[in-house]
Amino acid sequence: NAGVTQTPKFQVLKTGQSMTLQCAQDMNHNSMYWYRQDPGMGLRLIYYSASEGTTDKGEVPNGYNVSRLNKREFSLRLESAAPSQTSVYFCASSPTSGGEQFFGPGTRLTVL
Amino acid sequence: GENVEQHPSTLSVQEGDSAVIKCTYSDSASNYFPWYKQELGKRPQLIIDIRSNVGEKKDQRIAVTLNKTAKHFSLHITETQPEDSAVYFCAARDQAAGNKLTFGGGTRVLVKP
Repeated sequence: NAGVTQTPKFQVLKTGQSMTLQCAQDMNHNSMYWYRQDPGMGLRLIYYSASEGTTDKGEVPNGYNVSRLNKREFSLRLESAAPSQTSVYFCASSPTSGGEQFFGPGTRLTVL
Repeated sequence: GENVEQHPSTLSVQEGDSAVIKCTYSDSASNYFPWYKQELGKRPQLIIDIRSNVGEKKDQRIAVTLNKTAKHFSLHITETQPEDSAVYFCAARDQAAGNKLTFGGGTRVLVKP
């Protein structure tokens, strides 16, 4: 099993560009999450999906949208990137909402 | 919603000594408290967790204690080794908001040989 995978690993954008971060899990988990981690800081929840077909805002949703494409895949979209969105983005999944979360390797995003 | 505070933000210990990290939470309905370890440039990984019906849990050199009355829980690492150097995050399950986890700000632990 690959666990939780994310693409791309690194990305550089110019202000105003858009992009989609992809996340997939092969553990048959119900719940999936997107976090951002800024240098020296903790994990802040952007959006989460408790189960297929549902999505909810987390702590810092502004500037982002998500799509739970199916049970395996949960994507994060930046419609108009801003320098404040420079961060490392982690996707995670868990068998049930609030259970142990398994993290992907992260995407390091720089917005110039 | 849930709020989790974690202290200290940095901790430097001599190899072989113990390290203690403390977290407080605000939602008395929270019932699941995991601890994650994140090595430099890597993803966070679960190292131990505790549920609210248990006061203490131990796994080799690491242990977690929970005081529900005071709404705080702690991570204890004994006989620290250089490979324990990492950032540690506590979290609490937020029952009021879809059972998602709320993370503390993290503690950077440095074990000096």
